[in-house]
Amino acid sequence: QVQLVESGGGVVQPGRSLRLSCAASGFTFSSYGMNWVRQAPGKGLEWVAVIWSDGNTKYYVDSVKGRFTISRDNSKNTLYLQMNSLRDEDMAVYYCVREYSSSYDYWGQGTLVTVSS
Amino acid sequence: DIQMTQSPSSLSASVGDRVTITCRASQSITIYLNWYQQKPGKAPKLLIYAASTLQSGVPSRFSGSRSGTDFSLTISSLQPEDSATYFCQQSYSNPRTFGQGTKVEIK
Repeated sequence: QVQLVESGGGVVQPGRSLRLSCAASGFTFSSYGMNWVRQAPGKGLEWVAVIWSDGNTKYYVDSVKGRFTISRDNSKNTLYLQMNSLRDEDMAVYYCVREYSSSYDYWGQGTLVTVSS
Repeated sequence: DIQMTQSPSSLSASVGDRVTITCRASQSITIYLNWYQQKPGKAPKLLIYAASTLQSGVPSRFSGSRSGTDFSLTISSLQPEDSATYFCQQSYSNPRTFGQGTKVEIK
């Protein structure tokens, strides 16, 4: 069965960095686009970034451009999100999400990023 | 960016009621509209994609429809386990934007 397991969340001071990882299993990881979607406490969903299956095409929401980098290692079935210059407004649960037929069909359980001094 | 306006923000209905949630896109997105259900403390779950295609394993009481840039999610007979927040999302262009959510409560 498809599994997406995020890790790497935690408490970080504003301006610092954090790298999230998502270990994928149960499907051919290299065949799917992958996304990060976040949800601030008590708020709605916000798409953050997408990386296509070959890893060469990436898109970001404007609020994270130049600060966040999405990447993948298809040999390790792992998705990453490098987050630099973290801000208060980046505090959220971050979900790793598989894309299929222009929809998000599988989600991880999420990892919480807390930005606090 | 494409704006997704979802309504109502919350509703309360009885078991067995027919419930409809709507989502309006700020421009044409053709059929690139998805619906998700999220229960407290859990990740969202895909219910419907491409405006009206039911995701595998989702009960048939859920359905989706489109009229131009207006989309609807209907629960034909509300069940206790349907208490959740529902989000629409356009997948026509980046950034992939979500509606603000509709919280469905059972009376």
